[in-house]
Amino acid sequence: EAGVTQFPSHSVIEKGQTVTLRCDPISGHDNLYWYRRVMGKEIKFLLHFVKESKQDESGMPNNRFLAERTGGTYSTLKVQPAELEDSGVYFCASSRQGGVYEQYFGPGTRLTVT
Amino acid sequence: KQEVTQIPAALSVPEGENLVLNCSFTDSAIYNLQWFRQDPGKGLTSLLLIQSSQREQTSGRLNASLDKSSGRSTLYIAASQPGDSATYLCAPTGIQGAQKLVFGQGTRLTINP
Repeated sequence: EAGVTQFPSHSVIEKGQTVTLRCDPISGHDNLYWYRRVMGKEIKFLLHFVKESKQDESGMPNNRFLAERTGGTYSTLKVQPAELEDSGVYFCASSRQGGVYEQYFGPGTRLTVT
Repeated sequence: KQEVTQIPAALSVPEGENLVLNCSFTDSAIYNLQWFRQDPGKGLTSLLLIQSSQREQTSGRLNASLDKSSGRSTLYIAASQPGDSATYLCAPTGIQGAQKLVFGQGTRLTINP
């Protein structure tokens, strides 16, 4: 079974530009989560999809961040316009619906805003 | 608001030792708790998941315990090996339906050959 995949692995953009991160969850996992770690801080939750619906978006920092999960499969996280403080590693995770909700993480996308 | 603390922040021990990593959390109303390891530049690998109704969970040389009422979990690593060197993170989740993981800063473990 393929794991959670994320693309790109690394992105370097200038302040004010737009970046779109993609996450492909494990096949059959209805739950999809986004987290991020900024320099020196702990990993923090951004939002949670159940299929294509946003279950919890309490961690989204501001309206420059837009997450979508069309068709309940892969998800994208768009940052527009990017600011310096958006630099960090963005992780995606997925879990099955029901049961123990064990979350499996992808390798992350390292975003650098210059 | 759930807060997670992991002690120690860093630990360096010789190969072969048994060791314990500590995790404490402020809100005991959790659904489960996961332990992860993270290697430099990599994602998180799930090691163990303990449900709130369980006291401990074992996988190979790893044993995790949970005392929900006191807000504590420990990860015991037996017969440590250099390949165990990584950052270890614990993360509780809230009640069912609020599944976001809350992380602490982790414990950076170094096993010296």
